[in-house]
Amino acid sequence: EADIYQTPRYLVIGTGKKITLECSQTMGHDKMYWYQQDPGMELHLIHYSYGVNSTEKGDLSSESTVSRIRTEHFPLTLESARPSHTSQYLCASSEFRTNYGYTFGSGTRLTVV
Amino acid sequence: AQKITQTQPGMFVQEKEAVTLDCTYDTSDPSYGLFWYKQPSSGEMIFLIYQGSYDQQNATEGRYSLNFQKARKSANLVISASQLGDSAMYFCAMRELPANNQGGKLIFGQGTELSVKP
Repeated sequence: EADIYQTPRYLVIGTGKKITLECSQTMGHDKMYWYQQDPGMELHLIHYSYGVNSTEKGDLSSESTVSRIRTEHFPLTLESARPSHTSQYLCASSEFRTNYGYTFGSGTRLTVV
Repeated sequence: AQKITQTQPGMFVQEKEAVTLDCTYDTSDPSYGLFWYKQPSSGEMIFLIYQGSYDQQNATEGRYSLNFQKARKSANLVISASQLGDSAMYFCAMRELPANNQGGKLIFGQGTELSVKP
């Protein structure tokens, strides 16, 4: 039973297309995050949000953008997909209490051809 | 700046034996949390165990225990009685705990791929 949902699970798309990766959570968490992960590699934070209308860039530079209009929704958009964007994208959320771990979605595996 | 290091890219263990996955960290903040996550081939991240920097005892969760050595800045994961289903990537992670209690960002190590042999 997932409390944080990512769609699509897999996406193969052509170069130059605009894409939006969806992430929604039902836990009422204020904080949400996007991580990028290449196969077998570590996770890199690319975006985060501490609440509605709050978004920040993470430690890894990314050409993607995010928005946070509703607490439960944190979509990630690529205006023009390139093969270098091929990766797995993981969405996560957390409560304000710092000893609480992140809850992750199942991820979106993006392939740009 | 905070940093997590996992020096074992891959590990093998025989079914039913115990295995230790290494993790060292670096931070200048006295207050932080340490986490271990499991990532199966399907890709999702599964939370395993948490250790706070001020916790006096090592954390345990079923077959998982965290060997926390604060002076050495290490937080090794011990899996007892390994099962075939334990085969996965394992990530150590750290979150600094700022004074404003807003919670720092979670950063990850490089991961260790564990393979359990029958």
